Amino acid sequence: ETGVTQTPRHLVMGMTNKKSLKCEQHLGHNAMYWYKQSAKKPLELMFVYNFKEQTENNSVPSRFSPECPNSSHLFLHLHTLQPEDSALYLCASSQAPGPFLEKFGQGTRLTVV
Amino acid sequence: AQSVTQPDIHITVSEGASLELRCNYSYGATPYLFWYVQSPGQGLQLLLKYFSGDTLVQGIKGFEAEFKRSQSSFNLRKPSVHWSDAAEYFCAVGAKKEYGNKLVFGAGTILRVKS
Repeated sequence: ETGVTQTPRHLVMGMTNKKSLKCEQHLGHNAMYWYKQSAKKPLELMFVYNFKEQTENNSVPSRFSPECPNSSHLFLHLHTLQPEDSALYLCASSQAPGPFLEKFGQGTRLTVV
Repeated sequence: AQSVTQPDIHITVSEGASLELRCNYSYGATPYLFWYVQSPGQGLQLLLKYFSGDTLVQGIKGFEAEFKRSQSSFNLRKPSVHWSDAAEYFCAVGAKKEYGNKLVFGAGTILRVKS
């Protein structure tokens, strides 16, 4: 248990569905991140939130919509996804602005059918 | 922009043998360097990090890494591998930014341990 909890752990959704991924940490961290991990590709940073404000959007398609209602919770809302969006989505948190990423969640394995 | 290269996609070592995983980075300033490990179906766990100072860094689980500025390398080593070390290992370089920090990861090296 890393202190960063992601739910659900597995998700299968159709291309017309709307679903949300949830990330929660109670480590007192004030920065939270979404990463995408696809097979045979490096981890890709998607979004960064610092003190609930989005500070980075790494050219992510609009079918991915993040939400950070407070420093402890981070969501990733998904709609009209494509099969190539199937991946492991990892949440992480840290004490911004430094040190760096300390804790990752276990990820949500997303399959788009 | 920073980048990370892990030349070996797969490495197989015998249990008890020594291990070295290679990592080369490209970054214009003094780098912040990291090694993470990921077991199947799990998130990433930080093994060790280098910010400054002693270029030989000790981490968890008996791992160490050495920063060599002249070679732009940050190779991970372990003197004696255990079967439980089988996992995927990621090297990363960090850029310190005004708001939040950004890590760039290598593609990973899958370590297999044979008995």
